[in-house]
Amino acid sequence: EIVMTQSPATLSVSPGERATLSCRASQSVGSDLAWYQQKPGQAPSLLIFDVSSRATGIPARFSGSGSGTEFTLTVSSLQSEDFGVYYCQQYNGWPRTFGQGTKVEIK
Amino acid sequence: EVQLVESGGGLVQSGGSLRLSCAASGFNFDAHWMNWVRQAPGKGLEWVANINRDGSVKHYVDSVKGRFTVSRDNARNSLYLQMNSLRAEDTAIYYCVRDYWSYFDHWGQGTLVTVSS
Repeated sequence: EIVMTQSPATLSVSPGERATLSCRASQSVGSDLAWYQQKPGQAPSLLIFDVSSRATGIPARFSGSGSGTEFTLTVSSLQSEDFGVYYCQQYNGWPRTFGQGTKVEIK
Repeated sequence: EVQLVESGGGLVQSGGSLRLSCAASGFNFDAHWMNWVRQAPGKGLEWVANINRDGSVKHYVDSVKGRFTVSRDNARNSLYLQMNSLRAEDTAIYYCVRDYWSYFDHWGQGTLVTVSS
């Protein structure tokens, strides 16, 4: 099983600041990496797929980078609607696995 | 508009069974693999199972193998999860999720399964 590890567990950010979230895989997942956002009481939603491709309707302030085992999600200027929990997920191997999540909260 | 609506959750005793359903609309259901993903209260996401377009290929996370069965009815645009021998650790919100080239592009709102011990 590919273990996905996210850091930090919690990120406190002021609106307008940059947020950088990290995700590490226990073995290479190539470019088979997605990011999801979950707001309280809601289902997760797709943000980024294939490491750096934004899903439909996702604003350009969200960007993804990395390859192999190290990945980053960057929010260039955090807006109030961006607060929530972010999960990375690999789809290179079975079972599909998620990181434990990074909670982005208001500073 | 893609819609995925889960149903069938509820309270069940340990060792019991439950069948979840997911009604899909707004897309060609038989063109997509489909998944079940769960989330225990206050915890992260765990992929549970998926099924290919015609139902001939299925994958499961180890913790549910032999207890859960995923199936689909393309004529009814529906996905199912039969859950047997339920345990307290199966308590979670279960999401029906559309697969698009292996990532998860649309999620239902989920149905809560509570297993009492």
